Amino acid sequence: DTGVSQNPRHKITKRGQNVTFRCDPISEHNRLYWYRQTLGQGPEFLTYFQNEAQLEKSRLLSDRFSAERPKGSFSTLEIQRTEQGDSAMYLCASSLGATNTGELFFGEGSRLTVL
Amino acid sequence: AQRVTQPEKLLSVFKGAPVELKCNYSYSGSPELFWYVQYSRQRLQLLLRHISRESIKGFTADLNKGETSFHLKKPFAQEEDSAMYYCALSGQNTGNQFYFGTGTSLTVIP
Repeated sequence: DTGVSQNPRHKITKRGQNVTFRCDPISEHNRLYWYRQTLGQGPEFLTYFQNEAQLEKSRLLSDRFSAERPKGSFSTLEIQRTEQGDSAMYLCASSLGATNTGELFFGEGSRLTVL
Repeated sequence: AQRVTQPEKLLSVFKGAPVELKCNYSYSGSPELFWYVQYSRQRLQLLLRHISRESIKGFTADLNKGETSFHLKKPFAQEEDSAMYYCALSGQNTGNQFYFGTGTSLTVIP
């Protein structure tokens, strides 16, 4: 197991296009998080899964954003009708445990540039 | 509301000098505090958490509930400590979220 894997690492798209990012967590981890990070800021929470259930969504997440985690394994984050303000690094993290106090293991991120 | 504040965006120290990265938080209840680090071209990773009360790579951090602080300290900085450091907060009142500060970029000058 090489840790949390994210694809693609970089995506350049035109405004209005849809993009999808994939995250493969560490295999035994039941918790999966998506974060967004822009320049000069820390990671900002987007959404969280425990197994296949999406238990939490940030109020900052517009309806253009949707995330899934079928069968509690990999997860996808889709952004529809992208806007320039969506340009950011999208980070996935996973953890093991019943509470949200365990260590987060991060992927390398997927960088989105919207032209 | 939960909040993590890291007042210094940039911090430079000479090799061998002490270093302190500041973190203040706002939270109702008993927080869980963490320091995450991102070295150049590496992914974000956990450095230490307050419940472990351990020293990692010579770094320590003490949770001060009176001052709502969780400052990261090291008595003698090394060049390999140059990195981006993020303070993070979690707990029963945060739902399932971890709240991160804006980060401090530490440069250790040889």
